[in-house]
Amino acid sequence: SAVISQKPSRDICQRGTSLTIQCQVDSQVTMMFWYRQQPGQSLTLIATANQGSEATYESGFVIDKFPISRPNLTFSTLTVSNMSPEDSSIYLCSVGQGPSYEQYFGPGTRLTVT
Amino acid sequence: ELKVEQNPLFLSMQEGKNYTIYCNYSTTSDRLYWYRQDPGKSLESLFVLLSNGAVKQEGRLMASLDTKARLSTLHITAAVHDLSATYFCAVDEDSNYQLIWGAGTKLIIKP
Repeated sequence: SAVISQKPSRDICQRGTSLTIQCQVDSQVTMMFWYRQQPGQSLTLIATANQGSEATYESGFVIDKFPISRPNLTFSTLTVSNMSPEDSSIYLCSVGQGPSYEQYFGPGTRLTVT
Repeated sequence: ELKVEQNPLFLSMQEGKNYTIYCNYSTTSDRLYWYRQDPGKSLESLFVLLSNGAVKQEGRLMASLDTKARLSTLHITAAVHDLSATYFCAVDEDSNYQLIWGAGTKLIIKP
């Protein structure tokens, strides 16, 4: 299975600023996903990021707020723009890999917006 | 639209007891996944169930899939405190790696 790292692991940010979260995978993968998880809640998919194409955003998430880059098959970034306290959450990247269509998750980025 | 429902959402039990978590989904699919999440941690894959009647076991946990009933179960045998975590089931509807997630079952096992 893929080994995934995320940076930063946590951050405390001021409202109105932006934070870029990095996701690095130890092998080449086609599909990467960005999720948000509020405390005590399930996962909410923000977008799917395929290399070489624009990210596909889920309902309620827009590119201006959550721009995503996918420059190659091992790396992606998610930016949380113009942050407000409502953006405080855990952000997870995952990759889809293997014939069983399984997803593997990074360790997450815990974001607090003050 | 595919929906995935887990129950119970919260379960507190004593060590040594048996219990089952249920995962129902609303459309046909033969790909179901169970994940574990410890507090403050990411998700860890537990089981991948890819066909009707599939059964997987790891230690005190056993998962099964009934695609006709659109139901998966996660059975815990003789629970131990280390199994305390939140358990999520997820379903892949279109074989495109996108998963639809249940709400999660928070399991607390008291010594």
